Amino acid sequence: DVKVTQSSRYLVKRTGEKVFLECVQDMDHENMFWYRQDPGLGLRLIYFSYDVKMKEKGDIPEGYSVSREKKERFSLILESASTNQTSMYLCASSLGGAKGYTFGSGTRLTVV
Amino acid sequence: KNQVEQSPQSLIILEGKNCTLQCNYTVSPFSNLRWYKQDTGRGPVSLTIMTFSENTKSNGRYTATLDADTKQSSLHITASQLSDSASYICVVIPLSGGYNKLIFGAGTRLAVHP
Repeated sequence: DVKVTQSSRYLVKRTGEKVFLECVQDMDHENMFWYRQDPGLGLRLIYFSYDVKMKEKGDIPEGYSVSREKKERFSLILESASTNQTSMYLCASSLGGAKGYTFGSGTRLTVV
Repeated sequence: KNQVEQSPQSLIILEGKNCTLQCNYTVSPFSNLRWYKQDTGRGPVSLTIMTFSENTKSNGRYTATLDADTKQSSLHITASQLSDSASYICVVIPLSGGYNKLIFGAGTRLAVHP
C-alpha cells in the first residue's frame, strides 16, 4: 500500500514564524498535493506538483509556497504564519491522473 | 460553478442501525465519483470509486449508488458499528481539468452511539 507520511500530527506556531510542513510518499508517485481542510468546507487545494521542481498553484495559494527537490518529498511553507492559517493540512499523492490517490494523516496547525 | 453538496451535515444513529448519506453534484461530465471515510484527526481513506457508467459499488457494509440522470449519489451503511463514527466525504472528478480538479463535498459527520 502507498504510504503518505506527514512529519507532524500537531503543530503550534506563533504569528510571523516561518513554518515548514513536510510530506513524504514511498511509492514513486509523480503527483503530490497540499490541501487545507476547515470545518464546513470541502478540502481546498493549495498547491500541487506533477514532477520534481515543478509546482502549480491551486485554488488558495496566497500566503503559501512549496518545494519539491526530490520526487518523494513535497514541502509546504508558510512564509509568515498568520492566525487565519490555523487549519488541518492534508498532503496527497497519486500515480497518474487520480489513480492511486492517497492522503496522509494530516497536520493540525495552530497559529497563536 | 461545479459543486458537490452533501446531506445531512451531521447524523446520529444507534449501533446496529442502517443509514444513508446523500451527495448531489452539478459536475458534468465527470470521470468518477468517490466516497471517502475520514476518522477524526486523520486523513481521508477511499471507500468506493465509481465511474460514470456504474450505478452501484460495495465495500463490505458500505454500498454506494450513483444516478447520473439525477446527479445524485448515496452511501448506505448497513448494521452500523461504533467504528463507523467518522466524516464521510463525496468527491467528484471532472472529465476535463485533470487530477488537480477534484471537487470535494463538505462531508457528513456520522456518530454511532451504543
